[in-house]
Amino acid sequence: EDKVVQSPLSLVVHEGDTVTLNCSYEVTNFRSLLWYKQEKKAPTFLFMLTSSGIEKKSGRLSSILDKKELFSILNITATQTGDSAIYLCAVGNEKLTFGTGTRLTIIP
Amino acid sequence: GAVVSQHPSRVICKSGTSVKIECRSLDFQATTMFWYRQFPKQSLMLMATSNEGSKATYEQGVEKDKFLINHASLTLSTLTVTSAHPEDSSFYICSVQTLREQYFGPGTRLTVT
Repeated sequence: EDKVVQSPLSLVVHEGDTVTLNCSYEVTNFRSLLWYKQEKKAPTFLFMLTSSGIEKKSGRLSSILDKKELFSILNITATQTGDSAIYLCAVGNEKLTFGTGTRLTIIP
Repeated sequence: GAVVSQHPSRVICKSGTSVKIECRSLDFQATTMFWYRQFPKQSLMLMATSNEGSKATYEQGVEKDKFLINHASLTLSTLTVTSAHPEDSSFYICSVQTLREQYFGPGTRLTVT
């Protein structure tokens, strides 16, 4: 059975801090790993990772994949209150298996 | 990317009635759409894969006779929750599979009273 585990389950930090969110996986048919941000409604796409060791970056967010150790991290630097959300990791081929998410809360 | 809409965004119905949720791909012809369900404080769980012109593929534990999926065109998939019960109350989200990524609709919050 495909499995995606995210840690920590929740995280509370002060504005300006840097956070690292973790995602480890065991799937039978890996094509890509995706990170999503979910606020009140449906998830919005952040990154898709397919190759090991290549960092994807978008503003203060960055992510990297390690296909040998089967994990990915999502980094957010200089956090802002608008970063408060649930961050979801999903892995798979066409069918995605989602982790339970990390609930990030940024305190002003 | 693909723009995906869902209708309605929120629905309240009485136990025993049926509810239809529409998922539209506004700018992409989608042969494959996915339906997910998300219970409070839980992650998204894939319910079924909707294939244009053929039968949907359901995940283990999802009753195909209860959750009817129709993907009659490349831009529209519908999910009908038949004989809804309070335990079916959830957030239902569809997604469209493009060549590289999945794009999610805004979701439909179903409350069964």
